[in-house]
Amino acid sequence: QSVLTQPPSVSGAPGQRVTISCTGSSSNIGAGYEVHWYQQLPGTAPKLLIYDNTKRPSGVPDRFSGSKSGTSASLAVTGLQAEDEADYYCQSYDSSLSGFWVFGGGTKLTVL
Amino acid sequence: QVQLQESGPGLVKPSQTLSLTCTVSGGSISSADYYWSWIRQPPGKGLEWIGYISYSGRTYYNPFLKSRLTISVDTSKSQFSLKLTSVTAADTAVYYCARAGVAAPHGDWGQGTLVTVSS
Repeated sequence: QSVLTQPPSVSGAPGQRVTISCTGSSSNIGAGYEVHWYQQLPGTAPKLLIYDNTKRPSGVPDRFSGSKSGTSASLAVTGLQAEDEADYYCQSYDSSLSGFWVFGGGTKLTVL
Repeated sequence: QVQLQESGPGLVKPSQTLSLTCTVSGGSISSADYYWSWIRQPPGKGLEWIGYISYSGRTYYNPFLKSRLTISVDTSKSQFSLKLTSVTAADTAVYYCARAGVAAPHGDWGQGTLVTVSS
């Protein structure tokens, strides 16, 4: 199991809004560590999508947004487009066992 | 724009050592602003952070891999390397090298290289 829990899959029709949750614990997200989100298109390396909970790197559309509350974080995608179909991973830092980066198990977003 | 490129054998026998190198171009590996990471992804599965190294050689390892892991850096060649000993089929994965800011996410990634552990 991954330290951060994500739903295996979510889906939505073009133009709709979907959210992907990332649930952690008191040793990672709940401890105040930042959450980052990556998008992985089929057959490619992950790409940084959201960093520090809510910030977008240059070039990422504002259809993508992040939030964080307590021991959880969420990624929202509005105005779904076919090219958004991909795997999405959350990442944070865990302070247990002397500390290390942890990823969620990933969520497959399907555009219907 | 920094570029990272993994290289190494695509097939390793069980119980042997997996060795990979990442070559960095378009940016300095000697910058104190970054850490240089290895991350892997078993086929059809999620991402796992392996560890990272600073330009000065300070290392941080995934505690679940630490006993088998060595990451090193050669600033003269603008490369950093991964050695994972006593591999099993569970170590079969696409291995990525990536750059992370200090206390910051991984903003730049290599294309990844598939390493299969099989006899």
